[in-house]
Amino acid sequence: ILNVEQSPQSLHVQEGDSTNFTCSFPSSNFYALHWYRWETAKSPEALFVMTLNGDEKKKGRISATLNTKEGYSYLYIKGSQPEDSATYLCAIIQGAQKLVFGQGTRLTINP
Amino acid sequence: KAGVTQTPRYLIKTRGQQVTLSCSPISGHRSVSWYQQTPGQGLQFLFEYFSETQRNKGNFPGRFSGRQFSNSRSEMNVSTLELGDSALYLCASSLTIGEKLFFGSGTQLSVL
Repeated sequence: ILNVEQSPQSLHVQEGDSTNFTCSFPSSNFYALHWYRWETAKSPEALFVMTLNGDEKKKGRISATLNTKEGYSYLYIKGSQPEDSATYLCAIIQGAQKLVFGQGTRLTINP
Repeated sequence: KAGVTQTPRYLIKTRGQQVTLSCSPISGHRSVSWYQQTPGQGLQFLFEYFSETQRNKGNFPGRFSGRQFSNSRSEMNVSTLELGDSALYLCASSLTIGEKLFFGSGTQLSVL
């Protein structure tokens, strides 16, 4: 069974600070990694789809890196704002099979 | 461009009943997948359809089934409902399998 681990489970960050969290996964037979942001009362929204080892993606103040050899991805948020408060989900596809989600990191930005 | 539409938004059923949830994907998207979210659990994959064919299935009992129509719209059915089936059911569409997902607002199912 593919196990996707996200850490930490929850995080409180002061507005203006930068933060990062981790998604860990088995490195064998990797196909793709997805990052989603899920705000309360909304639907999950795609941030990044990453497939290549060493890949780096950026969207505004949010960026992500991928290491498929060691099985982890980092998501970084620079200069956190209250609107960044959300649960951040990563999901893995192995061998072009189903998408398996981690439990998420719940981020709260304190004004 | 219209997003992914799920109906109904809320549903209350009793144990033993069956339920059908509907999902209309973004125009042009041919892949539709379904997920279950329960308190304390991550999104659990139910199944994925592409061009009317089920491509992948999650670890759920046979009471959970689905289908996709030629216009890519999808339905999922849960028969003989149990209390533990109470959950948020999310549908997502993508251009093809493996591409980023666009989620609907979900159907909140309560089983009494």
